[in-house]
Amino acid sequence: DVKVTQSSRYLVKRTGEKVFLECVQDMDHENMFWYRQDPGLGLRLIYFSYDVKMKEKGDIPEGYSVSREKKERFSLILESASTNQTSMYLCASTRGLNEQFFGPGTRLTVL
Amino acid sequence: RKEVEQDPGPFNVPEGATVAFNCTYSNSASQSFFWYRQDCRKEPKLLMSVYSSGNEDGRFTAQLNRASQYISLLIRDSKLSDSATYLCVVNPNAGNNRKLIWGLGTSLAVNP
Repeated sequence: DVKVTQSSRYLVKRTGEKVFLECVQDMDHENMFWYRQDPGLGLRLIYFSYDVKMKEKGDIPEGYSVSREKKERFSLILESASTNQTSMYLCASTRGLNEQFFGPGTRLTVL
Repeated sequence: RKEVEQDPGPFNVPEGATVAFNCTYSNSASQSFFWYRQDCRKEPKLLMSVYSSGNEDGRFTAQLNRASQYISLLIRDSKLSDSATYLCVVNPNAGNNRKLIWGLGTSLAVNP
């Protein structure tokens, strides 16, 4: 059974903290994605990676960075968390033109 | 015009009803199309890919109209468990699935 896991389901951080969100997939997929989902705005792509150490900006990369040191792991980093980064963060992976598989999401609250 | 537009609903239907959702897209060169389902506070999951000839999976039928640039999802004999948000997704790129365009979703509530 395919699986994408995320390090936390719920996370509460303070403004200015550095935040790491981890995502791991066990399907040997080359493509991995980070989205955020907000009411009324839908899913918005932050960054994606199509290979180890490769990354491309999505539609809203400002305030975020990513790291992909191993094929199965894709990390999202908030260098200095702000309240407007309170959101649901979803990681996904895919191979080629096949469906995107999502992790369960991390609900991040920045106080 | 938004790249992918959906009626947000909510659609409230009784069990057993037939309900249809439409989704319009702006990029006429878009290559592939999908419907995802998202339950409340859960992640999206693929419901169906949409093929040019249309496709059916049990009670669900998806159709593509390239000339008018819309895709549709028909649900027959609605079940309570069909209550969810249905996301229309468009891939504008040939050859990869890297940057999909996601609609905001249509909310469906099936009532007893």
